[in-house]
Amino acid sequence: AQSVTQPDIHITVSEGASLELRCNYSYGATPYLFWYVQSPGQGLQLLLKYFSGDTLVQGIKGFEAEFKRSQSSFNLRKPSVHWSDAAEYFCAVGSYNFNKFYFGSGTKLNVKP
Amino acid sequence: EPEVTQTPSHQVTQMGQEVILRCVPISNHLYFYWYRQILGQKVEFLVSFYNNEISEKSEIFDDQFSVERPDGSNFTLKIRSTKLEDSAMYFCASSESLPGGEQYFGPGTRLTVT
Repeated sequence: AQSVTQPDIHITVSEGASLELRCNYSYGATPYLFWYVQSPGQGLQLLLKYFSGDTLVQGIKGFEAEFKRSQSSFNLRKPSVHWSDAAEYFCAVGSYNFNKFYFGSGTKLNVKP
Repeated sequence: EPEVTQTPSHQVTQMGQEVILRCVPISNHLYFYWYRQILGQKVEFLVSFYNNEISEKSEIFDDQFSVERPDGSNFTLKIRSTKLEDSAMYFCASSESLPGGEQYFGPGTRLTVT
């Protein structure tokens, strides 16, 4: 069965520090991978997506993610975190074969001044 | 920039009542979705809709749920007889194309069943 795992429920980083949020997926075929961000009381905003090609993808707000097929991972990174990045981040997997997304349980990011 | 809109932003209803959650997808999109997020839990797929019919639904989407595209712009989710456990944030999404096309999400409707 398809699934997405985000092993870190909460992460706290200092402003200016680097960030890596982990995402592992389980899917038999080539996945389409997404990262969304949800600020309190807001909807889901797409940060970046991977369909094919270059395994390092750039997104909005200075985020990037790397698809590693051998590790079934799609980790999100940012070199220098800003206080406004505090939010909840969701990894999602879609596919050619099904018309829906599977979401991970999310990682809440706290940013210390 | 075009966006998905949802109304109302917050709906309070009594157990057993019917509710209709409304969504206006992005105008040139063809695929429509409903997801829900129970407080503190992950976002869960409910149903996808294309060409005026359901293309896929989850086990959550039982007979008390229905979806409709009553006109060229709205996409609705009806819950016939609400239960306490239906309390959640409901997100509408739309996408232009498949496969696995990028889905654009609305801001959500928070449904509270008392």
